[in-house]
Amino acid sequence: GAVVSQHPSRVICKSGTSVKIECRSLDFQATTMFWYRQFPKQSLMLMATSNEGSKATYEQGVEKDKFLINHASLTLSTLTVTSAHPEDSSFYICSARGGWLGKNFQYFGAGTRLSVL
Amino acid sequence: SQQGEEDPQALSIQEGENATMNCSYKTSINNLQWYRQNSGRGLVHLILIRSNEREKHSGRLRVTLDTSKKSSSLLITASRAADTASYFCATEGAQKLVFGQGTRLTINP
Repeated sequence: GAVVSQHPSRVICKSGTSVKIECRSLDFQATTMFWYRQFPKQSLMLMATSNEGSKATYEQGVEKDKFLINHASLTLSTLTVTSAHPEDSSFYICSARGGWLGKNFQYFGAGTRLSVL
Repeated sequence: SQQGEEDPQALSIQEGENATMNCSYKTSINNLQWYRQNSGRGLVHLILIRSNEREKHSGRLRVTLDTSKKSSSLLITASRAADTASYFCATEGAQKLVFGQGTRLTINP
């Protein structure tokens, strides 16, 4: 089956630093990738939709200058949390659309747990 | 924005019993999907039901969809301790997947 790899799985950083999270589709081309954020014991909230070669579409309330998304190729999207603060600590999950189940199916990465000290 | 409302928010049952979780949504959809998430882990896709389908089975899972009521249910039969997890419904529409609040299911041995 289609696999989405997310890296790193866990990151701890100091307040004020920037953190980059990578999301790769390993065996299929993903024209669209999605980034979600999940706070403890809550649901996944869609942050942005990323299309290869074009600017990401951010959901209402998500700061585009804070969460930089780059979808430079059909297999890679990155999320950079700039000048991270403790309130950015969360579980970030990417997903990619595509694969053998059809172009409308989303495959999810294993998530990245970000802790900002 | 959240699309789905799930109930109950938490469910605790004995091993071997059946577990039923419900999901309601607000807008028209192409399909509805159910996912499982173990604590602190990623999502596992369980089942997808299309908007023109009413019921679907996969192993011990049974999903129903009522588009007139904008609701779906997930039934897990003969529950096992390993079924302990959070379960989310997600609706597909407008080219994106929107998740419900989730149900935390605990199976007691």
